[in-house]
Amino acid sequence: GENVEQHPSTLSVQEGDSAVIKCTYSDSASNYFPWYKQELGKGPQLIIDIRSNVGEKKDQRIAVTLNKTAKHFSLHITETQPEDSAVYFCAAVGKTSYDKVIFGPGTSLSVIP
Amino acid sequence: DARVTQTPRHKVTEMGQEVTMRCQPILGHNTVFWYRQTMMQGLELLAYFRNRAPLDDSGMPKDRFSAEMPDATLATLKIQPSEPRDSAVYFCASAHHGGERYEQYFGPGTRLTVT
Repeated sequence: GENVEQHPSTLSVQEGDSAVIKCTYSDSASNYFPWYKQELGKGPQLIIDIRSNVGEKKDQRIAVTLNKTAKHFSLHITETQPEDSAVYFCAAVGKTSYDKVIFGPGTSLSVIP
Repeated sequence: DARVTQTPRHKVTEMGQEVTMRCQPILGHNTVFWYRQTMMQGLELLAYFRNRAPLDDSGMPKDRFSAEMPDATLATLKIQPSEPRDSAVYFCASAHHGGERYEQYFGPGTRLTVT
């Protein structure tokens, strides 16, 4: 079945710097890659997603890139702010298994003021 | 502002007791997920339903866990008997499968403690 790996598990950056989180997936049939942000005490919330027919997508300070050949995708956050501190999860959804959503293990991001 | 609701928000119970968690998905969503979150295992998919039919429950311990959707507005997750290792936060999420975006909307979670 699908497996999603995510690195790093923890990340600490200075306010204003950029943060990059990387994920790899195993199922080449995966075609949809969402990213979720989970703040303390809350459920995860979708922040950006990308489909397999697109190489890059940007939404204000966040961007996601996808390399289908290498089965890698990454989240980039620029000009980080303290409110970006949270746990970030990548996920992959395949055409098989009724579009089962497989999450990575998460990255705990801390933005230091 | 449509949102997924879960009850109870917190549950403390003794080992061996039955626990029932409830979820009301967003109206119109046809897919419902149950997840368990722990520090050690992260976010684990336990089971999910589409149009109330179970699609995959391979992540669920079959001997003690059961998940059902009695109707389109209610999903339940039961643990019987509960064990201390079941202590975790259980999230329900719903989504509309078939649209442009396959976004999961998560509920606030049920924090379960089994002593």
